[in-house]
Amino acid sequence: DVKVTQSSRYLVKRTGEKVFLECVQDMDHENMFWYRQDPGLGLRLIYFSYDVKMKEKGDIPEGYSVSREKKERFSLILESASTNQTSMYLCASSRPGGGSGANVLTFGAGSRLTVL
Amino acid sequence: GNSVTQMEGPVTLSEEAFLTINCTYTATGYPSLFWYVQYPGEGLQLLLKATKADDKGSNKGFEATYRKETTSFHLEKGSVQVSDSAVYFCALTNSGYALNFGKGTSLLVTP
Repeated sequence: DVKVTQSSRYLVKRTGEKVFLECVQDMDHENMFWYRQDPGLGLRLIYFSYDVKMKEKGDIPEGYSVSREKKERFSLILESASTNQTSMYLCASSRPGGGSGANVLTFGAGSRLTVL
Repeated sequence: GNSVTQMEGPVTLSEEAFLTINCTYTATGYPSLFWYVQYPGEGLQLLLKATKADDKGSNKGFEATYRKETTSFHLEKGSVQVSDSAVYFCALTNSGYALNFGKGTSLLVTP
């Protein structure tokens, strides 16, 4: 019954490494999102995508990029990881439009990244 | 811009106590409002939502009413259980895309 799958639950990387966080959804949703969650700061939007190959910056895009080559997959890329990117990363998806299920985000279980 | 302010936790209650978690918002237009819950070790899941003024969302004994005059969406439950221990997030959207989340309120219910 898993609908949004994040490929790694826990990752440990070194400063300067390139990091890929993968997210796949099986609900045929148009919208996909990457948030980071930090204690005392709640959830902050990094990037989102409303269609294949489309992306929009969120509130804190610096140091991140994204890729959406297929509708079901949305990748978050840290080009050169830094210690201040140690965090919990949450992927989510939703469908736009009207109706009872519109704009409801379905989240993955999260990927906890530690950068040493 | 849009923003959500919710009461700071942690909130500690005894089982069967009444719960209120306050949430107020700032937004243009007519946002949709949500409460999400995050159980330990899990991602967030939708608890309830309301899409227009005076709507009441409800689920699992939790309720929240969309009050446009006070820009509030307070979460309530009449009798909490130990299994309700979690972090609760208030959120809004008026773009049809991303949600703006509050910082979360941690709830601990003791037997």
